[in-house]
Amino acid sequence: DAGVIQSPRHEVTEMGQEVTLRCKPISGHDYLFWYRQTMMRGLELLIYFNNNVPIDDSGMPEDRFSAKMPNASFSTLKIQPSEPRDSAVYFCASSFQGLIAKNIQYFGAGTRLSVL
Amino acid sequence: GENVEQHPSTLSVQEGDSAVIKCTYSDSASNYFPWYKQELGKGPQLIIDIRSNVGEKKDQRIAVTLNKTAKHFSLHITETQPEDSAVYFCAASNTGRRALTFGSGTRLQVQP
Repeated sequence: DAGVIQSPRHEVTEMGQEVTLRCKPISGHDYLFWYRQTMMRGLELLIYFNNNVPIDDSGMPEDRFSAKMPNASFSTLKIQPSEPRDSAVYFCASSFQGLIAKNIQYFGAGTRLSVL
Repeated sequence: GENVEQHPSTLSVQEGDSAVIKCTYSDSASNYFPWYKQELGKGPQLIIDIRSNVGEKKDQRIAVTLNKTAKHFSLHITETQPEDSAVYFCAASNTGRRALTFGSGTRLQVQP
């Protein structure tokens, strides 16, 4: 398997523009997580899905952020409008619960977002 | 919610020496404790994990210990090599809330 695939790897945009980050989880995984990494706040959860249903979005900063998972193989994180403080590396991760409860999360390479 | 504290923030060792990174957690319901290694420009990669029904786990040069009573767990790397240089994160989660709460990270530098 190619692992968790994120696109784009880098995104530079201007304040006020809409940004869409994309994630393809590992095939067969039933959990998908979006994390954000900054120097100030470290790695923090934004939202996670189970079987395409959002379970916990308490980490989503504000209404400017939204996430969707239309099917088991694709998720998006959208920021509209973007602000300079949204500049960070955004990671997508996926995991599979299976018959034995496991929470091994596999991370993508991340999208580095710069909002000017 | 869960809070994970990690120390030290930076650690420099000589090649061949051991390195120890320590974490504490606050939520007694946490039962899964993974350690991730993050290299520059890459996503975190799981290197070892431990569950609350186990006190110690070892995988070659890497070991993790867990003290549930004190709510702390540690990563031990023996015979360090330059390729061990990276940022290491501890994390915690529980069966009910599967998202990971991460520590703040430790930048390990192994001097050749």
